[in-house]
Amino acid sequence: NAGVTQTPKFRVLKTGQSMTLLCAQDMNHEYMYWYRQDPGMGLRLIHYSVGEGTTAKGEVPDGYNVSRLKKQNFLLGLESAAPSQTSVYFCASSYRPPGQGNEKLFFGSGTQLSVL
Amino acid sequence: RKEVEQDPGPFNVPEGATVAFNCTYSNSASQSFFWYRQDCRKEPKLLMSVYSSGNEDGRFTAQLNRASQYISLLIRDSKLSDSATYLCVVPRLRGNQFYFGTGTSLTVIP
Repeated sequence: NAGVTQTPKFRVLKTGQSMTLLCAQDMNHEYMYWYRQDPGMGLRLIHYSVGEGTTAKGEVPDGYNVSRLKKQNFLLGLESAAPSQTSVYFCASSYRPPGQGNEKLFFGSGTQLSVL
Repeated sequence: RKEVEQDPGPFNVPEGATVAFNCTYSNSASQSFFWYRQDCRKEPKLLMSVYSSGNEDGRFTAQLNRASQYISLLIRDSKLSDSATYLCVVPRLRGNQFYFGTGTSLTVIP
């Protein structure tokens, strides 16, 4: 009964380094999302996907790339990390899209990323 | 105007108290609304859904006021375990986005 699994849980990067965050869900959900959470800002959408092979930009996409090669996985990449990307990152998935009812979000446990 | 706005608090209440939080939203076409609970450094978890005028689950009641575009969360007989941040979430079909409030912090004091 894994639900949504995020890896890694913690990471420290130096400015300019790259990394990939992995999100995996076993609920056969079509919709997957990457958010970042900063103090006083709430959760902000980085990128999202409405199905395998599709991705779209959210509210704060700059500096990030994503891929959804398999339905169950949604990867978030940082090509050249910057201190402004220090944040807590959450992946989420849902069975139904926003606005169509019963659109419960299931979240991963989060990744604490620090960029020095 | 932000899509979703919440009073950040913090709300510090004694055990057994009743506390209410409000959340205002800007899109009058929104049809569904959610309250999520987030414990410190943990992921948000769904607390309640609101699709019509309101919803009740034990000590928790969520109410929707479409005319004034706000939803409220009422917690009765507060427990220490209710201490958390409560997030208001409003989905919008256009743009496939869920809009999150910044959260209201609640601490229940013994």
